[in-house]
This record gives sequence, structure tokens and C-alpha cells, in this order.
Amino acid sequence: NAGVTQTPKFQVLKTGQSMTLQCAQDMNHNSMYWYRQDPGMGLRLIYYSASEGTTDKGEVPNGYNVSRLNKREFSLRLESAAPSQTSVYFCASSEIPDRAYGYTFGSGTRLTVV
Amino acid sequence: EDQVTQSPEALRLQEGESSSLNCSYTVSGLRGLFWYRQDPGKGPEFLFTLYSAGEEKEKERLKATLTKKESFLHITAPKPEDSATYLCAVQADNYGQNFVFGPGTRLSVLP
Repeated sequence: NAGVTQTPKFQVLKTGQSMTLQCAQDMNHNSMYWYRQDPGMGLRLIYYSASEGTTDKGEVPNGYNVSRLNKREFSLRLESAAPSQTSVYFCASSEIPDRAYGYTFGSGTRLTVV
Repeated sequence: EDQVTQSPEALRLQEGESSSLNCSYTVSGLRGLFWYRQDPGKGPEFLFTLYSAGEEKEKERLKATLTKKESFLHITAPKPEDSATYLCAVQADNYGQNFVFGPGTRLSVLP
């Protein structure tokens, strides 16, 4: 019962480098989300995909792009990393409209941009 | 402006010492309030959903309650394994299906 799997778990980038964070879920959920978590600020939504084939901006989308590759996979791309993107990134999924079980989160990717 | 705040920021309890965590929100059209537990180095884990004022949910030593402006997470006779960060999140008319998370309360239960 893997749930939501994120790769990599840790990454160090130099300013200006690009990378893609991968996320896959095996629960047949329709909706997937990318959040970042910074100290004292709570989780903030970057992008989400309500269903396969759709993506929408969240609260803090600047500097990021996403791809909903299929129903299972939702990737987050940083085209030109900046120190302000140092954070812990979480992917989550949910079965909408059933709100009773909240989101299922992955274990996160800790990204440092130097 | 819509806001979700949590207090205290950090709380240290002795094992068996009951207490409450607070989540206050100012949103229009609350559709649900959610509590999550987050262990260090892990993603948040869902605990409860509350939909309307007066509602209560319980799970082991945890009990969540909801009023029109805030929610409380009561911890009765906590154990060291209850140590974690507790997050609340709200779903409201302005956000569609998405949540707004509070910053969390970091709970430490000492043996």
C-alpha cells in the first residue's frame, strides 16, 4: 500500500538549474496537488489537477510548471531554480467529491537551492 | 482577508497532562475544517473532518470540536507518541475544492 510516492527525497540545486519533482499515486484518485511548506507559513498550494488532463494555478505558482502525465502521475518542474524556492515540497491526492478522508500526502522532497 | 491561524505555536506537556490546541479561521462559507498530524520528515496524515458548528469527532486520545470561528483539538492524557505537529486546514467557498492550511502547533509530550 504505497499511497503517494515522491522522488527524489532530497535535492541540492545551484541557482539557475532546472529539475523535475516526480509524484505518483496508486489509489485511483482523480485529483492531485503540489504544496510547498516553509517554516511558520503552513502549506501553500502551488498547482493542482482536479482530474486527468486539467491543471490550475494555486496560491504560489510563479517559477513552477506542472504536467499531469496520466491519472497516476503529476510532476512539478522548476525551470530556473532560485534560493526562494528552497522548501519542502509535498504532493497530495484526493478522491473528489468525497471530502471525508481529506488528502493523502507523500513524504516530501526537501529542496535546497544555493 | 481569509486567514487560518493556530495557537500556541509550540506546546510542551508532561505525559498525562491534558490540553487543547486552537485553530481560528476567518473565511466566508466554510465547507469543512480538517485536522492533520505531521511527524518530522513525513507528510501530513489526515485525522478528522468537521463540517458544521457543534460537530465533534474523536479518535483515541484526540477530540476535535468546531464553532463558527474556531476549532479545538483536545488531547486527553497524552503519551510521548502523540508528539507531532498538528495542522488544521479549511475548505471554503472562495477556494473551490482546495484547502488553506494553518501554520501548525508543534506538540511535545515528555515522559
